[in-house]
Amino acid sequence: QVHLVESGGGEVQPGRSLRLSCADSGFTFGTYGMHWVRQAPGKGLEWVAVIWYHGSNENYADFVRGRFTISRDTSKKTLYLQMNSLRVEDTAVYYCAREGGQMSHMDVWGKGTTVIVSS
Amino acid sequence: QSALTQPPSASGSPGQSVTISCTGTSSDVGGYNYVSWYQQHPGKAPKLMIYEVSKRPSGVPDRFSGSKSGNTASLTVSGLQAADEADYYCSSYAGSNNVIFGGGTILTVL
Repeated sequence: QVHLVESGGGEVQPGRSLRLSCADSGFTFGTYGMHWVRQAPGKGLEWVAVIWYHGSNENYADFVRGRFTISRDTSKKTLYLQMNSLRVEDTAVYYCAREGGQMSHMDVWGKGTTVIVSS
Repeated sequence: QSALTQPPSASGSPGQSVTISCTGTSSDVGGYNYVSWYQQHPGKAPKLMIYEVSKRPSGVPDRFSGSKSGNTASLTVSGLQAADEADYYCSSYAGSNNVIFGGGTILTVL
């Protein structure tokens, strides 16, 4: 049974930083690409970032590039999202999801962690 | 990059069929057979329903089907059931390691 659990969400002030984690259990973490996807309150899904299974290639949505960093620790079977210079508009539920193919779909999702950016 | 275009809402009676469209461009939907569809119930995480345009993951009923023509992909739900009432999102690979989602469609079972 594949299982992803996000943590690290909370309420922070604009301009501050937060690091999200996504712990995996049940599958060979190191052989899959991983994504972060977010959903602002009452809004749709928004892709945030991806990291390849080997960790040496990553990409970001334009609205987070230069502020957010995706990384992974295969030994800990954990995915991270370092979020710096947070803005009010970054307020959302952040989901981690497993890449099921070659950037073709996300087949396993965590339950999400909530980030609130507010002064 | 702009979101893929989905109708805000769709509806049907139990037992009927409903189709949700997802329109993009030749740089995303039209350029790759990497369209996927996700179902999301209120307060829950998204669930993969269709991938690579028309493939169904194990456990997804065959009442759910996907197709694509040009820059528009479609999700059809046949034999509508109350449990199908949810938000549905399409997604597509958009080249250069980018992914794009649609704005979402609220499916109501009347």
